[in-house]
Amino acid sequence: DAKTTQPNSMESNEEEPVHLPCNHSTISGTDYIHWYRQLPSQGPEYVIHGLTSNVNNRMASLAIAEDRKSSTLILHRATLRDAAVYYCILRDGRNSGYALNFGKGTSLLVTP
Amino acid sequence: DARVTQTPRHKVTEMGQEVTMRCQPILGHNTVFWYRQTMMQGLELLAYFRNRAPLDDSGMPKDRFSAEMPDATLATLKIQPSEPRDSAVYFCASAIGLAGGTDTQYFGPGTRLTVL
Repeated sequence: DAKTTQPNSMESNEEEPVHLPCNHSTISGTDYIHWYRQLPSQGPEYVIHGLTSNVNNRMASLAIAEDRKSSTLILHRATLRDAAVYYCILRDGRNSGYALNFGKGTSLLVTP
Repeated sequence: DARVTQTPRHKVTEMGQEVTMRCQPILGHNTVFWYRQTMMQGLELLAYFRNRAPLDDSGMPKDRFSAEMPDATLATLKIQPSEPRDSAVYFCASAIGLAGGTDTQYFGPGTRLTVL
């Protein structure tokens, strides 16, 4: 899988939007962009994924750059419960059921 | 609400002892993964199965670790003999096994292993 680069940490105030960036300059045309997060003392959980178009779900939005070399996970209104490590992961669409390459992720701190 | 379950949640053992961790994947999921998380290495894959057959166990120390799926509802990870460097949180995850890059993995709560 192609490599992703994320900031080590970010900080946000509660109830404000958070934009978590991810660079993936070597992404291939068949790579899906997935985001997972890991809350303290829990297993990772799926957040969202996309291929080319922006995506929205109940948890977050995913904005994908036109050239697909970067993407941004958007939490519209951060809560204290959103404090977690967020992982941006590329998944090759030609394969199925492969393991996730988590990397270091971005540790998000949300302050009241 | 279907979930992956793991037992035990915590395990403290002494070096040299056998450790067995169990995972019940979500019913209907045909792909099961074992990951290990440490502060130094982060989350790393140990092994995974598709339809109970091992597809990749290259991340496991072969001399002491073994992973099996005796049936579709149970996956086991065994360490024998255990060593202090095996101390970590072990996560099991399952997935439907969809073709393409859209498959979502669902993780269990993990087993925190401490080897003294």
